[in-house]
Amino acid sequence: DAEITQSPRHKITETGRQVTLACHQTWNHNNMFWYRQDLGHGLRLIHYSYGVQDTNKGEVSDGYSVSRSNTEDLPLTLESAASSQTSVYFCASSEQLATNEQFFGPGTRLTVL
Amino acid sequence: AQSVTQLGSHVSVSEGALVLLRCNYSSSVPPYLFWYVQYPNQGLQLLLKYTSAATLVKGINGFEAEFKKSETSFHLTKPSAHMSDAAEYFCAVSGLNKLVFGAGTILRVKS
Repeated sequence: DAEITQSPRHKITETGRQVTLACHQTWNHNNMFWYRQDLGHGLRLIHYSYGVQDTNKGEVSDGYSVSRSNTEDLPLTLESAASSQTSVYFCASSEQLATNEQFFGPGTRLTVL
Repeated sequence: AQSVTQLGSHVSVSEGALVLLRCNYSSSVPPYLFWYVQYPNQGLQLLLKYTSAATLVKGINGFEAEFKKSETSFHLTKPSAHMSDAAEYFCAVSGLNKLVFGAGTILRVKS
């Protein structure tokens, strides 16, 4: 069965370190998204991609970057981790832009000390 | 711009009682609307979606939602709550090829 996976599931890091969260999907979807989930805010969009070599900023993109070198993967990098980036991160993918039904990964819980 | 408001961050019902989770949206174009459910320590799972066909949409696990354009609402209901329905529920609207989520409603089911 097709799926979307994230790794690691849990990560503890220190302020100032670079961190990369992996996202891999086997749906063969062109569209991929990264969100962060914080209490009281729901899910907020960090970055998204509509295909290989395409990346776009979401509403909370400062301090984050992504790259899309193939269809299956969209890694999220925190250039210099800050305590404000402690959160749960979700990756998602979708086939259609119009209806935009998204399929979500299990999430990565990141703690920045 | 699209936005979603979920009324009530926490809702508590008794087992067997009606579940009603409220969602109001704002959209400059005809919207596509979604309800997702999140169980503890898991990702989001699609419950149901409205994509401009029937206004009453049926989803998984006995949930349904009705699109009311005049009220800009898409409330989620289930006639009889089960303990397994305890989770967080998110309403979302599709806009500019992205999803905009509400803040979520945590549903508690009392025995």
